[in-house]
Amino acid sequence: NAGVTQTPKFQVLKTGQSMTLQCAQDMNHNSMYWYRQDPGMGLRLIYYSASEGTTDKGEVPNGYNVSRLNKREFSLRLESAAPSQTSVYFCASISIAGVSYNEQFFGPGTRLTVL
Amino acid sequence: GEDVEQSLFLSVREGDSSVINCTYTDSSSTYLYWYKQEPGAGLQLLTYIFSNMDMKQDQRLTVLLNKKDKHLSLRIADTQTGDSAIYFCAGDRAGGSYIPTFGRGTSLIVHP
Repeated sequence: NAGVTQTPKFQVLKTGQSMTLQCAQDMNHNSMYWYRQDPGMGLRLIYYSASEGTTDKGEVPNGYNVSRLNKREFSLRLESAAPSQTSVYFCASISIAGVSYNEQFFGPGTRLTVL
Repeated sequence: GEDVEQSLFLSVREGDSSVINCTYTDSSSTYLYWYKQEPGAGLQLLTYIFSNMDMKQDQRLTVLLNKKDKHLSLRIADTQTGDSAIYFCAGDRAGGSYIPTFGRGTSLIVHP
C-alpha cells in the first residue's frame, strides 16, 4: 500500500452523523477512486476522479459526496450516515500513462461502523 | 457494464498448483487484472493481461485468457501458505476508461 494513505483507520458513527474520509497519494497519479467492500460483495465503486477538478459517480454513489481537493487528495463525505454504510472503504490511486497500467495502489482501508 | 464472476473458495495443499477462475461479460475490456488481498489489508495488483494476449507468465503466476469463452484464470505454481488470501479478478469498463470492475473474490486457503 505504499504511497496511498487513508485516515482514519477505524471509525464508529451513530446514525445521522457526518464524517469525511481522507485519502492522499504522493505518486503524482491523475486518477483516484473510492470503493466500498462488503462481505461477499467484492469492491464496488462509489466515486472516482479521472483528473484534478473532475469527479464522477460510480456504481453506488447514493449517500456520499466527494471532493478532489488537489492532485494529491480525494475525500469522501458521508453527510448523514446510515447503518447500510457500514463497510470497509478503500481509496485507490492509479497512473494512466501509456503502458503504466500496472501502477496501481490501494490504501489500507477505513473500517466504518454505523450504529 | 462489466459483470465478473468468480468461485468463492479454493483449498489446496502447500506445494500444489492453484488455479483460480473468473468469467467476465464485457468483451471490450482492454485489460484484465488479478489482485491479492491479505487479511486486514488493501488490494495489491498481482498481474494484468492485455486483451489481445492469450497468456502471460510472471514468475510463479500464469494468467490465461480465453476471449472466446470470456474466461480468465490465474495459476499459482508451488503454492505456499503465504499465498493464502482473497484473489480478485477485474476488468476495465467498456469505453476504454480505466475503471476496474471487480468480481466477488476467491478465498484461497493453503494448508500444509
